[in-house]
Amino acid sequence: QVQLVESGGGVVQPGRSLRLSCAASGFSFRSHAMHWVRQAPGKGLEWVAAISFDGSEKYHADSVKGRFTISRDNSKYTLYLEMTSLRAEDTAVYYCARDPNTVTAWILDYWGQGTLVTVSS
Amino acid sequence: SYVLTQPPSVSVAPGQTARITCGENNIGSKSVNWYQQKPGQAPVVVVYDDNDRPSGIPERFSGSNSGNTATLTISRVEAGDEADYYCQVWDSSVDVVFGGGTKLTVL
Repeated sequence: QVQLVESGGGVVQPGRSLRLSCAASGFSFRSHAMHWVRQAPGKGLEWVAAISFDGSEKYHADSVKGRFTISRDNSKYTLYLEMTSLRAEDTAVYYCARDPNTVTAWILDYWGQGTLVTVSS
Repeated sequence: SYVLTQPPSVSVAPGQTARITCGENNIGSKSVNWYQQKPGQAPVVVVYDDNDRPSGIPERFSGSNSGNTATLTISRVEAGDEADYYCQVWDSSVDVVFGGGTKLTVL
């Protein structure tokens, strides 16, 4: 079955960097676009970034553009989110999610359980 | 910017029909997806492309989309349907956008 397992979250000081990973299994990872979505404590969902099946196309929300970078390693079945210049407002649970298409269909059909990032001094 | 407007809460008695709306100018021209999120859990897609259901989602869940409003309809509501529901679309100006979410309470 499809499994997505995020890791790399934790407590980080403002201005520092963090890299999240999402290990995929149970499906052909290299055949699917992927997304990151976050949810601040007690708040709604916010899309963060997306990447095509081969990494050639990347999309980032305006709120993270220039600070966060999505990437993938298909040989390792792993999705990444490199986060720099972190701010308090980046505090959230970060979910990785699968897109049913190779290039984005903008549907998130499977989600991981999330990893919590807390930005605090 | 593109903003999807959902009611903060909807309440319904068991066995009745719940309707959760998602509003934006001309949303009927876009494909709408709906997600269910129970407390402490990751979201699950319950309707995609306006009115398609993934395998494993009960037929009680259906969607419609026309004009300025998309609607998620849950028939014969059960206690287990209590959750937050989010609509979502793709727009060229913002890529993916989610609605603010609606808390469904089963009375």
